[in-house]
Amino acid sequence: DADVTQTPRNRITKTGKRIMLECSQTKGHDRMYWYRQDPGLGLRLIYYSFDVKDINKGEISDGYSVSRQAQAKFSLSLESAIPNQTALYFCATSDGGAGGIQYFGAGTRLSVL
Amino acid sequence: AQSVTQLGSHVSVSEGALVLLRCNYSSSVPPYLFWYVQYPNQGLQLLLKYTSAATLVKGINGFEAEFKKSETSFHLTKPSAHMSDAAEYFCAVTPGGYQKVTFGTGTKLQVIP
Repeated sequence: DADVTQTPRNRITKTGKRIMLECSQTKGHDRMYWYRQDPGLGLRLIYYSFDVKDINKGEISDGYSVSRQAQAKFSLSLESAIPNQTALYFCATSDGGAGGIQYFGAGTRLSVL
Repeated sequence: AQSVTQLGSHVSVSEGALVLLRCNYSSSVPPYLFWYVQYPNQGLQLLLKYTSAATLVKGINGFEAEFKKSETSFHLTKPSAHMSDAAEYFCAVTPGGYQKVTFGTGTKLQVIP
């Protein structure tokens, strides 16, 4: 089984719908992250959490919210999806060590019509 | 604040030729530097990491990178390209501690038979 699991892997939704992307990890890491990937723009950080009680906005948090339900679970919500949120979304975890390595899920491909 | 610049969004090399992917960074403190690789339909995985222990860092699959402080560069090389090296490569930087990681925009490597 994968260390970082994202569900669903693919999702098509309509403008205005609320959607949740889920992430769970078995690495035992405290730190979790949500990124979106767009062609030519690389990975941009949406939200990150350094422990269960810590939630921080990344560089592109508008239109998104997150919930850290447990050390192992970190979900991303789009309250009212819009077409420019069509992208590939990645969840990642890292340990608390200096310059910690990030471990990524396989991604969720989201299309907003 | 830190940043990463990857020169060339697409690089093509012949099988057996040298691979050189360029990365320049900006950081106000000594950085941790990473190269990640993304194969089609997969998440990112670590290729190698610089932690100041040695300026030449060896990674998986025959890749290595050299940290040059005077040039603020961390270029990725491989002496002989293999077809299986076709992927997208991301350079990343972090000051460490409770600071986030900043990713470059990525370089897609094409290997021509």
